[in-house]
Amino acid sequence: KQEVTQIPAALSVPEGENLVLNCSFTDSAIYNLQWFRQDPGKGLTSLLLIQSSQREQTSGRLNASLDKSSGRSTLYIAASQPGDSATYLCAADSGGGADGLTFGKGTHLIIQP
Amino acid sequence: EAQVTQNPRYLITVTGKKLTVTCSQNMNHEYMSWYRQDPGLGLRQIYYSMNVEVTDKGDVPEGYKVSRKEKRNFPLILESPSPNQTSLYFCASSTGGRYGYTFGSGTRLTVV
Repeated sequence: KQEVTQIPAALSVPEGENLVLNCSFTDSAIYNLQWFRQDPGKGLTSLLLIQSSQREQTSGRLNASLDKSSGRSTLYIAASQPGDSATYLCAADSGGGADGLTFGKGTHLIIQP
Repeated sequence: EAQVTQNPRYLITVTGKKLTVTCSQNMNHEYMSWYRQDPGLGLRQIYYSMNVEVTDKGDVPEGYKVSRKEKRNFPLILESPSPNQTSLYFCASSTGGRYGYTFGSGTRLTVV
């Protein structure tokens, strides 16, 4: 049974810093690894999806990497801004989408102005 | 606009009164799932569906039912809600492969 862990659970940094959020998963036989953003009390916004055949994906100031052999993914945020404050969730797709996603508990990120 | 629509967004109900949370997607996706989100426990899967008339239990199915009579709709049914089902619920859909999952805006349910 897939298990996903995110470290740290919470992070507070000054504006402008580059930062890395970590995600680990126990079963390396995944199809995709998807990163989401969630604002308080709101829905999930998909940020990046990395397929099992890929090593990384980039969107603007965000870069996500995937190392299946070690069961790890990282989300790199460059030049952080107060608007980046949110909870970041990673989720593993172990069944090609058919049986849903397994989520980590998230990293609550605060960017101090 | 491609989207997953959940209704209602907010619901307060009493213990034992049957309710249905609707979920509809307009992307012709085969795969749909329901999750609940609770503080400290994260998002946990309740049920999922791989196609019309094909559903299966997730990690926390007790107290819930689902049906998939049409491809676009995947309602979540609480036959006899209890206070421990107070939670934030999300529906999601996907076509699989490299496209990932799209989530609805959520339903905040309070059972008193």
